[in-house]
Amino acid sequence: DTAVSQTPKYLVTQMGNDKSIKCEQNLGHDTMYWYKQDSKKFLKIMFSYNNKELIINETVPNRFSPKSPDKAHLNLHINSLELGDSAVYFCASSNLYGGGERSSYNEQFFGPGTRLTVL
Amino acid sequence: GNSVTQMEGPVTLSEEAFLTINCTYTATGYPSLFWYVQYPGEGLQLLLKATKADDKGSNKGFEATYRKETTSFHLEKGSVQVSDSAVYFCALSDPGNQFYFGTGTSLTVIP
Repeated sequence: DTAVSQTPKYLVTQMGNDKSIKCEQNLGHDTMYWYKQDSKKFLKIMFSYNNKELIINETVPNRFSPKSPDKAHLNLHINSLELGDSAVYFCASSNLYGGGERSSYNEQFFGPGTRLTVL
Repeated sequence: GNSVTQMEGPVTLSEEAFLTINCTYTATGYPSLFWYVQYPGEGLQLLLKATKADDKGSNKGFEATYRKETTSFHLEKGSVQVSDSAVYFCALSDPGNQFYFGTGTSLTVIP
């Protein structure tokens, strides 16, 4: 069984188009994330959702909007695609463990990635 | 703020050589520390982790020890194989519930 899945795996599109990437996790985790990985492999966190609430919203363009219909899904919608949006986008999920002042997120589980190419 | 710094690559080693990838961190409180590995064309996979000082994480011949006194979590393997060629990421999660990744270190092992 795939723990974190993303569709599509590859996405090639023209500038100015609107596209969505879907993510699903079957781990029962309560938090999901979207990351952007550039050509130098640098990972930038874009969003995370915990129990259907946005808890991290880094300074990404508002053309990017996460949508979570339930805690097993976190989709990424991108409007007016630009050349600079070309990258690999990873979905991830994790679960809060522990409690009190020593609590921290457990490890994150990553999807296989979606390679977006904007022409 | 919290951050992770890892040695820049790329690193190229011959098969059976000793590997060290340095990682240091800045954090408040009691972070958990992780090493992730990304094989070509794949997502990141957890390689090992340590949740408190002096813990040693190990997996697939890789080891890393959580050193609070030096704020380090260096990754080591005694004898690398061609199949270890990948990008390695050091990461921490802090008590504020945020995750921080290093910039990644690319390793190529040649026969």
